[in-house]
Amino acid sequence: GIQVEQSPPDLILQEGANSTLRCNFSDSVNNLQWFHQNPWGQLINLFYIPSGTKQNGRLSATTVATERYSLLYISSSQTTDSGVYFCASPTQGGSEKLVFGKGTKLTVNP
Amino acid sequence: DAEITQSPRHKITETGRQVTLACHQTWNHNNMFWYRQDLGHGLRLIHYSYGVQDTNKGEVSDGYSVSRSNTEDLPLTLESAASSQTSVYFCASSESSGSLNEQYFGPGTRLTVT
Repeated sequence: GIQVEQSPPDLILQEGANSTLRCNFSDSVNNLQWFHQNPWGQLINLFYIPSGTKQNGRLSATTVATERYSLLYISSSQTTDSGVYFCASPTQGGSEKLVFGKGTKLTVNP
Repeated sequence: DAEITQSPRHKITETGRQVTLACHQTWNHNNMFWYRQDLGHGLRLIHYSYGVQDTNKGEVSDGYSVSRSNTEDLPLTLESAASSQTSVYFCASSESSGSLNEQYFGPGTRLTVT
């Protein structure tokens, strides 16, 4: 099955800084999701992005399926952005099952 | 609004007891999933279902079972709880039209087995 790797594992920022989180996958994908797990443990859907670029406020994501990676950009970070960011992809083509990366833990300091 | 709920949110049980975690969704999604989250492992798939009466094993299914008697619910049962099953459990659901379907997650259940 597909392998999903995220980098960096940990990231510490000052409020207002920008950041880029990366997700690499071992095979071509036709579905890629980004989630934010907040400090209370809730998993929040950020982007469903099989390919191309999407933006939602200060966050944007780009998936380049042919090169097997996706990037999550956070601009003008806020303390509420703290938490763990996960990317996930189907285990294989046509599958509904997701395999998750181990996440990037983001800490935004005031 | 449609949603996915889990109960209980927190549970403490003793080794050897049977435990059932509930998951209920009101999106009318055919696909439902159970994951567990542990430090160092991220989220791993336990069981999943693509519709009523359909159940399948995931990556870490040993010691767990599910049943799907209706579209809305997929309860997860730990037949004989073990300390290794202390974890946070998440239920998720998605539509069923191929692989391009976004999964939505419940709030999670924190289970402690003593």
